[in-house]
Amino acid sequence: NAGVTQTPKFRILKIGQSMTLQCTQDMNHNYMYWYRQDPGMGLKLIYYSVGAGITDKGEVPNGYNVSRSTTEDFPLRLELAAPSQTSVYFCASSYSTGRQHGYTFGSGTRLTVV
Amino acid sequence: TQLLEQSPQFLSIQEGENLTVYCNSSSVFSSLQWYRQEPGEGPVLLVTVVTGGEVKKLKRLTFQFGDARKDSSLHITAAQPGDTGLYLCAGANYGGSQGNLIFGKGTKLSVKP
Repeated sequence: NAGVTQTPKFRILKIGQSMTLQCTQDMNHNYMYWYRQDPGMGLKLIYYSVGAGITDKGEVPNGYNVSRSTTEDFPLRLELAAPSQTSVYFCASSYSTGRQHGYTFGSGTRLTVV
Repeated sequence: TQLLEQSPQFLSIQEGENLTVYCNSSSVFSSLQWYRQEPGEGPVLLVTVVTGGEVKKLKRLTFQFGDARKDSSLHITAAQPGDTGLYLCAGANYGGSQGNLIFGKGTKLSVKP
């Protein structure tokens, strides 16, 4: 049981480039989330999805896009990368809302934009 | 906007010492969770507390949810180097369709041998 798998682990982008961060879960969780984590700032929600075909913005969605075509996959797209997007990105999933069972996180993608 | 304030932000102690970290809010939460995050990894769920006044123990870790469901504490007895990490609390809202958790900024704990 792999849980939540994120790829790549590390990536360096040049300003203006684009990329897709991949996230896959094998727990049949309906809810999936993308967070970014900056030093001393905690976890900020970028986008979330409550099921295939349904996505919604979180606290910091600007500069990002998501799609959810299957239950398993929830890729995060960065268009026109900017230095402010340098961060560690975490994908998470949960059974239902996660209130009682919590979130399962991937191991993260460390992105540097230069 | 609901906020969770964690204190202290940093804590460096010697092996064998006891410690308590706090998670406070002016808002009421339906449940509160604690996660531990090690360098280079994602947060891992330690516990969920649901009932006001609830106390849960996980080996040397004791978690308490405040009576009013606005705050929580994590107490570690006889800390060990393996307890080193970032401890995050996260609160869940009542109602709503999102069910999104609100995370505190974390307490970075270093336990020295």
